[in-house]
Amino acid sequence: NAGVTQTPKFQVLKTGQSMTLQCAQDMNHNSMYWYRQDPGMGLRLIYYSASEGTTDKGEVPNGYNVSRLKKQNFLLGLESAAPSQTSVYFCAIFRDRGIGYTFGSGTRLTVV
Amino acid sequence: KQEVTQIPAALSVPEGENLVLNCSFTDSAIYNLQWFRQDPGKGLTSLLLIQSSQREQTSGRLNASLDKSSGRSTLYIAASQPGDSATYLCAVSRAGNNRKLIWGLGTSLAVNP
Repeated sequence: NAGVTQTPKFQVLKTGQSMTLQCAQDMNHNSMYWYRQDPGMGLRLIYYSASEGTTDKGEVPNGYNVSRLKKQNFLLGLESAAPSQTSVYFCAIFRDRGIGYTFGSGTRLTVV
Repeated sequence: KQEVTQIPAALSVPEGENLVLNCSFTDSAIYNLQWFRQDPGKGLTSLLLIQSSQREQTSGRLNASLDKSSGRSTLYIAASQPGDSATYLCAVSRAGNNRKLIWGLGTSLAVNP
């Protein structure tokens, strides 16, 4: 998963706590995405960013916020974590010219 | 609404077999289709990307085909090996909107030595 780095890899939160998941790319691409993966539900898009400074909601944005202040970084925030946000979170970039999507290695989040 | 289905959900084969994984989608107006591999507890690795204008793509022992008219893609794995054991996911993006991938639930493949 070279080129897309996610931190942290694992995190345990208590209900109500806040945190930020970080995604960094070193390939200077415009489009970045946040997905969550849950058993039996597949991957679902939370938010995406078509370019620096712009963000748009995906399928499941409630409870999350995002920030794309720099082209290289796409941040996903949980303001008040809930057990329903226990999931594996993936960041991705989209590269055109037949390459498609490249994913980070994921952040496994547990909210207790 | 685009829906992506992968059948079978799980597959177990002996080493050396050639096998086919299936992916079907309901809306033929796609931008591209991409196959991924996911190992347990790991991220997703891109295997093959097929643009809507293409019929197939090949990489090593893998060949993916696309038939938009029938809403189907197949991933062919030749001479399977235990190291091919993983979950294989397909995803499609809509024409004119390549921001959003619609995912299947995957096929869990076990290749037995």
